[in-house]
Amino acid sequence: EVQLVESGGGLVQPGGSLRLSCAASGFTFSTYWMHWVRQSPDKGLVWVSRINSDGSSTGYADSVKGRFTISRDNAKNTLYLQMNSLRAEDTAVYYCTRETAAVFDPWGQGTLVTVSS
Amino acid sequence: QAVLTQPSSLSASPGASASLTCTLRSGINVGTYRIYWYQQKPGSPPQYLLRYKSDSDKQQGSGVPSRFSGSKDASANAGILLISGLQSEDEADYYCMIWHSNAVVFGGGTKLTVL
Repeated sequence: EVQLVESGGGLVQPGGSLRLSCAASGFTFSTYWMHWVRQSPDKGLVWVSRINSDGSSTGYADSVKGRFTISRDNAKNTLYLQMNSLRAEDTAVYYCTRETAAVFDPWGQGTLVTVSS
Repeated sequence: QAVLTQPSSLSASPGASASLTCTLRSGINVGTYRIYWYQQKPGSPPQYLLRYKSDSDKQQGSGVPSRFSGSKDASANAGILLISGLQSEDEADYYCMIWHSNAVVFGGGTKLTVL
């Protein structure tokens, strides 16, 4: 069964840092592009970042560029999102998702990040 | 102006059809884009439904019933998700998505109520 499990969310103060992880199983992780998408409470979906299959190419939404870093460890079948200089507006559920031919499927259950003092 | 605009809510009766629109910002031609549709139920992550560019370029998600289909209204510069034979289980949030300028853009979502 294809599965994505996020972890690492929690409460952090403004200006702080957090690293999210996404453990993948049930498929050959190293052959897929991966993405992070977030959803603020009671709001819509917002794409955050993407990484290609070998980690050599990344992309970011303007809102997180320079503060967030996406990475992956194909030996550990794990995707990461390092989040620095966090702001209140970064508060959201963060989902990791696998991309296949521009389709996001499946999605993890998400991990909640709350930025508050 | 947002890249993709969706009505915030829509209500329809069981057994009826619902047409959910996703309007592209002026200057972005719907004809050149594949429109992707996702369904999200409360407490769950989004699930892929289908993509539509044209009748010759479309894809149904695995296990997605055929009563979910895509189309476009070129005159309105909009993608459309049509759900026929509405069931109570179709009550959910629906998001459209496109790949634009080397990034991914989601619409704000439409909350579909079946009552």
